[in-house]
Amino acid sequence: ELKVEQNPLFLSMQEGKNYTIYCNYSTTSDRLYWYRQDPGKSLESLFVLLSNGAVKQEGRLMASLDTKARLSTLHITAAVHDLSATYFCAVDRGNNDMRFGAGTRLTVKP
Amino acid sequence: GAGVSQTPSNKVTEKGKYVELRCDPISGHTALYWYRQSLGQGPEFLIYFQGTGAADDSGLPNDRFFAVRPEGSVSTLKIQRTERGDSAVYLCASSPNTGEKNIQYFGAGTRLSVL
Repeated sequence: ELKVEQNPLFLSMQEGKNYTIYCNYSTTSDRLYWYRQDPGKSLESLFVLLSNGAVKQEGRLMASLDTKARLSTLHITAAVHDLSATYFCAVDRGNNDMRFGAGTRLTVKP
Repeated sequence: GAGVSQTPSNKVTEKGKYVELRCDPISGHTALYWYRQSLGQGPEFLIYFQGTGAADDSGLPNDRFFAVRPEGSVSTLKIQRTERGDSAVYLCASSPNTGEKNIQYFGAGTRLSVL
């Protein structure tokens, strides 16, 4: 059974600081997604990572994938308050359905 | 264009009652997914449809849960004899199931409260 683990589960950061969220998964997969969820809202797609070594960047967020290590990272650069949300990674099992991590609840403080 | 639409947005019911939750996917999306999200948790997979058929229903917790997609578009998740533990947000997503990205687009969810 595919297991997806994220850490940390809770992250409180100061504005302007950098940090990395980690996503480990237990079986082979070549497709990994990052989603953002604001309180009371649904999930918004951020990145799709399709191959080993893939790196995607959007604004202050950068995601990478190492399929050999079964690890993806979401790096936050110079955090701002607007980035406060819960971030989920999700791994494609290879048949078009996904398994999600428990999420990382990020709070960026002034 | 219109996104994934879920109705109702909130549903309050009593223990033991039957409920139906509806999902209207993005037009043209052949794949449809149901998830359940409890407070503070990630979405938990329930069932996945490809067209009209359930391609994977391994996430349905027990036989009180059932979902249909008779015409390959709108889907209904049905829960019989509801229990307090069924309280959660039920999310629906759809995807085109083509191309290598195959991003799932989520609806706003139905918040089910079983009293």
